[in-house]
Amino acid sequence: KQEVTQIPAALSVPEGENLVLNCSFTDSAIYNLQWFRQDPGKGLTSLLLIQSSQREQTSGRLNASLDKSSGRSTLYIAASQPGDSATYLCAVSYGNKLVFGAGTILRVKS
Amino acid sequence: EPEVTQTPSHQVTQMGQEVILRCVPISNHLYFYWYRQILGQKVEFLVSFYNNEISEKSEIFDDQFSVERPDGSNFTLKIRSTKLEDSAMYFCASSAWTSLGNEQFFGPGTRLTVL
Repeated sequence: KQEVTQIPAALSVPEGENLVLNCSFTDSAIYNLQWFRQDPGKGLTSLLLIQSSQREQTSGRLNASLDKSSGRSTLYIAASQPGDSATYLCAVSYGNKLVFGAGTILRVKS
Repeated sequence: EPEVTQTPSHQVTQMGQEVILRCVPISNHLYFYWYRQILGQKVEFLVSFYNNEISEKSEIFDDQFSVERPDGSNFTLKIRSTKLEDSAMYFCASSAWTSLGNEQFFGPGTRLTVL
């Protein structure tokens, strides 16, 4: 069964800290992996897409890595800000569908 | 910037009634999807649609569900006879397969409440 797990479930950090969110998946036959941000009661905003052939992808203060063989991805957020507070979702693409993790709830304190 | 839109933002219905959720995907995208998120749970895949037919569906997507692209811009999800357990946030997404991958873009969602 294709499952995606995210650790930690919740994280609270002071403003300015660098942090790492973890994602693991059971089926390594992936097309790509997306990281999303979800604000309470809102839709999903795509942050980064990393293709199965890539090791890493960067956008601004965000850096995502992918180790397909071990079934892991990390999202690194540099110099966190209160506006980064949200739920971060990892989603693995198996062709036509995305399989989501439960998310990491991030709170950045000012 | 192009975005996926969904209407209505909130739908309240009685059990057993039919509902139609509407989506306008990004205009040059050819792949369309529906997902749902029951309160406090993971986002779950329902169905994908390409070239006017379903390309993949999950176990959740049973005979009570159907999808349609009635014209060049809209993509709809119909639930024929709603159940209490259909209450959830329903997200539409669209994508374009390119050399950069298949990045899916999501709409803001429709919150369906079945009473």
